[in-house]
Amino acid sequence: DAKTTQPTSMDCAEGRAANLPCNHSTISGNEYVYWYRQIHSQGPQYIIHGLKNNETNEMASLIITEDRKSSTLILPHATLRDTAVYYCIVRTLSGGGADGLTFGKGTHLIIQP
Amino acid sequence: DGGITQSPKYLFRKEGQNVTLSCEQNLNHDAMYWYRQDPGQGLRLIYYSQIVNDFQKGDIAEGYSVSREKKESFPLTVTSAQKNPTAFYLCASSIDRTGTDTQYFGPGTRLTVL
Repeated sequence: DAKTTQPTSMDCAEGRAANLPCNHSTISGNEYVYWYRQIHSQGPQYIIHGLKNNETNEMASLIITEDRKSSTLILPHATLRDTAVYYCIVRTLSGGGADGLTFGKGTHLIIQP
Repeated sequence: DGGITQSPKYLFRKEGQNVTLSCEQNLNHDAMYWYRQDPGQGLRLIYYSQIVNDFQKGDIAEGYSVSREKKESFPLTVTSAQKNPTAFYLCASSIDRTGTDTQYFGPGTRLTVL
């Protein structure tokens, strides 16, 4: 699976949009971009994933650049409960084995009141 | 409620004792996973299972064992051979065995070995 690079930490004001960047310059054509978040001492929570097109769900939007070398997770109206570590993961379609996800250290997003 | 349950939330054991962590899912998912997380670190894969009665080693399987006798259950045993067992253990599942599906996580068990 391709390696990802994320900033260690970010701040965002409550009510504003939080934009979390992720670089994955070695991504290959069959790899999806996944985002999870982990609130302290809880299990990771799935947020969104995409391959080429931008995606949106009830939690967030995912913007993937045309060359697929980077992406941005957008939380449109951040709340204090969005304070968490956010993980960007690039996932190979293994096609024959259900292997695990590779989690790096992620971005610690702190929402300021 | 549908989901993944792990019990207990906190577990304390003496050094040299084996301990088994529970993971149950009622999502009818085929694949299940165990991860370990150390403070300030990402997750590392211990074992995974694509189907009942089959499982594969992950990146850090030494000192751990698993079983998959039922589709809904994937217990993890931390043996005395694991050199540094104190960690946060997370179980996950995904709907099928192809490896393309989203993984969903349980709440975790924090194991402390004294």
